[in-house]
Amino acid sequence: AQKVTQAQTEISVVEKEDVTLDCVYETRDTTYYLFWYKQPPSGELVFLIRRNSFDEQNEISGRYSWNFQKSTSSFNFTITASQVVDSAVYFCALLSYNTDKLIFGTGTRLQVFP
Amino acid sequence: SQTIHQWPATLVQPVGSPLSLECTVEGTSNPNLYWYRQAAGRGLQLLFYSVGIGQISSEVPQNLSASRPQDRQFILSSKKLLLSDSGFYLCAWTLLYPRTVSYGYTFGSGTRLTVV
Repeated sequence: AQKVTQAQTEISVVEKEDVTLDCVYETRDTTYYLFWYKQPPSGELVFLIRRNSFDEQNEISGRYSWNFQKSTSSFNFTITASQVVDSAVYFCALLSYNTDKLIFGTGTRLQVFP
Repeated sequence: SQTIHQWPATLVQPVGSPLSLECTVEGTSNPNLYWYRQAAGRGLQLLFYSVGIGQISSEVPQNLSASRPQDRQFILSSKKLLLSDSGFYLCAWTLLYPRTVSYGYTFGSGTRLTVV
């Protein structure tokens, strides 16, 4: 069975703090993709990053960074120097190459206060 | 370029009324199509997916149904809405072949359904 767990339901920080959103996944497939999406209050899903199971390199994009560790089945997301505009719900998701079904975690609501 | 259209953006319907949400994809052929639902404050749940015209797979037993009358059209329906059908509905597509480096889902902008 495939599963994505985002244990943090809600996180509140003050602007300029660093924050890490955790994501743990389960799959028996050897080929899979991991994603992070941002969902602002308007509801649309904003794609942030895609990682395939053969690429464990960490990635940095501006204030965003991702740490993919197959050994612990984790794909954590860090926002450095958070801003109010980062307030949103963030979803981690797993896409299996075999099933082509995108499975979402339950999401983490991030609130950044000025 | 490929685009996905979903409408309406918002909908308020009384309990017991029918529902029809439409999703169309442009700029591609033979996409896989998906319907997701997000209940208030909850995660995204896969409801239906389709690998071709007339081919529908249901992930969760419920009051809803889906149809794919054309290659790039995916419709979510209900004969009689329940209060529990309220939520945010998202349509998505992906191309299986070829699986490029950008393999993944593309989502529509969603429909916010309130059943009253």
